[in-house]
Order: sequence, then structure tokens, then C-alpha cells
Amino acid sequence: AQSVSQHNHHVILSEAASLELGCNYSYGGTVNLFWYVQYPGQHLQLLLKYFSGDPLVKGIKGFEAEFIKSKFSFNLRKPSVQWSDTAEYFCAVNPLGRNTGKLIFGQGTTLQVKP
Amino acid sequence: DAGVIQSPRHEVTEMGQEVTLRCKPISGHDYLFWYRQTMMRGLELLIYFNNNVPIDDSGMPEDRFSAKMPNASFSTLKIQPSEPRDSAVYFCASTPTGGQPQHFGDGTRLSIL
Repeated sequence: AQSVSQHNHHVILSEAASLELGCNYSYGGTVNLFWYVQYPGQHLQLLLKYFSGDPLVKGIKGFEAEFIKSKFSFNLRKPSVQWSDTAEYFCAVNPLGRNTGKLIFGQGTTLQVKP
Repeated sequence: DAGVIQSPRHEVTEMGQEVTLRCKPISGHDYLFWYRQTMMRGLELLIYFNNNVPIDDSGMPEDRFSAKMPNASFSTLKIQPSEPRDSAVYFCASTPTGGQPQHFGDGTRLSIL
């Protein structure tokens, strides 16, 4: 079965530290990839997406992610986090070959940024 | 664009009562998804529709849960009878076509006493 694995369940950083959240998926075909963010008490919002082309994609609020096809990975990065980045982050995959609109979500990573 | 609209935002009811959650997707979006989020189980896909037709309901936990989409602009998720373990935040999301980003509503926070 297809799955998405996020390596870190809970990350604690100080402001200005660099962030990298890991995401790996298990599906051998073509995929669309997403990172969503959920601020406390809010709904999920799209951070960035990858469909094709340049494997390094930039999203909102200074986030970026790199698609490495050979590693089935789509890691999220930010050079310098802020207190306002405290949230839960979800990686998601749409396996295009299955002709479905369904997204397969990872279990989420809670990021806590200390001021 | 009004976004995905869910109602009610909060619902508190007693065990055994029927609960109906409502969702209005973004106009023109052909896919609609219902998710449940809890601390213990994270974000779970319950069911999704394409052009008002249920495509995959394998995530619906049991027969107490049912979902309908009578037209392109409205969907309901019903729990009857409700149980305390159904307490969660229920999100509705929509997307224009398969593979595109999903747009989430603000969710319904459900508490079953």
C-alpha cells in the first residue's frame, strides 16, 4: 500500500535556527507532492507543491522543498525559522498513476519554535 | 472566492444523538473530501466524492457514519448514533481536479459527551 512517512514527530528549535523536515513516500510512479501547514486551531493550508520541472520548489513564508526522485523524498527546509512558524506540518502525495484525487498524508510533524 | 464552508464550527452533543456536519465546496471543484483529525490518530481520510459520486469510503469507521453529496455545492457527514470516541475535528476539503492542491474548510470541532 502507498504510504508517506515523516521522520520527525516533534521538532523543537530556537528562532533563527535552520529547519529540515523529512518526508519519504512509497510509490514508484509519477506523483504530485505537497506540504501543508496547520497553525494552532486552524485548518490545513498549502505551503508549496511540486508537479514537475525544477525539483527545488519555493513556497510561501520562505519555505522550500527538494524532490529527490531516486530517494522518493520531498524534504521541507527553511534557513531561519521564526516563532510564528510554530505549527504542524504535513507532507502529502497524490499518486497520479492511480487516477485519483486522493492525497496520502504523512502523520505530521509538530514544530515548536522557541523565541 | 469564499473558500470551503463548513457548519457548524463547534458541536457539543450527548452520546446517542444524531450529528450532521455540513460542507459547501468551492464552486467548480469536482472533488470533495471528508477528513477526521484527532491527537491519537492524526489526519484520516473518511470518504471522498468525484462529481457527487462517492469514490472511496474505505476510511469510514463504521456503519454509524454516512456521507452524502446530493449536488455539486453541498455535502453532509452524518453520525448516528454518536459516541464519545467520535469526538474530533472534522474537515472538509475540495479540489478542482485530481492531483491539484486541496482547499480545506475551517473544520467542525465535535464533542460527544
